Amino acid sequence: GDSVTQMEGPVTLSEEAFLTINCTYTATGYPSLFWYVQYPGEGLQLLLKATKADDKGSNKGFEATYRKETTSFHLEKGSVQVSDSAVYFCALHNTDKLIFGTGTRLQVFP
Amino acid sequence: DAGVIQSPRHEVTEMGQEVTLRCKPISGHNSLFWYRQTMMRGLELLIYFNNNVPIDDSGMPEDRFSAKMPNASFSTLKIQPSEPRDSAVYFCASRRRFSASGGITDTQYFGPGTRLTVL
Repeated sequence: GDSVTQMEGPVTLSEEAFLTINCTYTATGYPSLFWYVQYPGEGLQLLLKATKADDKGSNKGFEATYRKETTSFHLEKGSVQVSDSAVYFCALHNTDKLIFGTGTRLQVFP
Repeated sequence: DAGVIQSPRHEVTEMGQEVTLRCKPISGHNSLFWYRQTMMRGLELLIYFNNNVPIDDSGMPEDRFSAKMPNASFSTLKIQPSEPRDSAVYFCASRRRFSASGGITDTQYFGPGTRLTVL
């Protein structure tokens, strides 16, 4: 069945460091790919999405490119802030449902 | 616009008691999803509805769990009887299933969750 695999956390960075969170997927057909973010005590919020191969989703300085050849959708940000500390979920949409990865906790220190 | 509304935000109950979690989706959305989040199992889809009809309940853990959607603006998730292993954060999410062009949309909007503790 469809699945999403993302790197285990926590990822610990200093402010202004470069961020990469890896995500790979297995799916039939042509899924849409997402990154959701969960801040402490809150629900998940859509961060960015891409609907087809080679699309780049971007929001709030975060980017991810839909790579069909490597079945990946890695999340990147050039300079993280303390306020980016959260849990990040990679997900795919196929057959009317979202399939989530296990989440990666990011901790950014001043 | 108001987002997805869930109540209560926190629930503490004793083993064996009935628990009812409530969700009001975003107005105009016609798909509703119930998820459970735990440290051990991550985010699990329990059940989802399209146009108030349950479509896939394969994620419901056992018969103690039931979900209803009597109308387009309200859904409940009930656990009876509750057990300590049901302790988790339960999220509701909604979606407008079809876009203006007629294609199935894929973005879900999540509520703030209900943190359930069963003692």
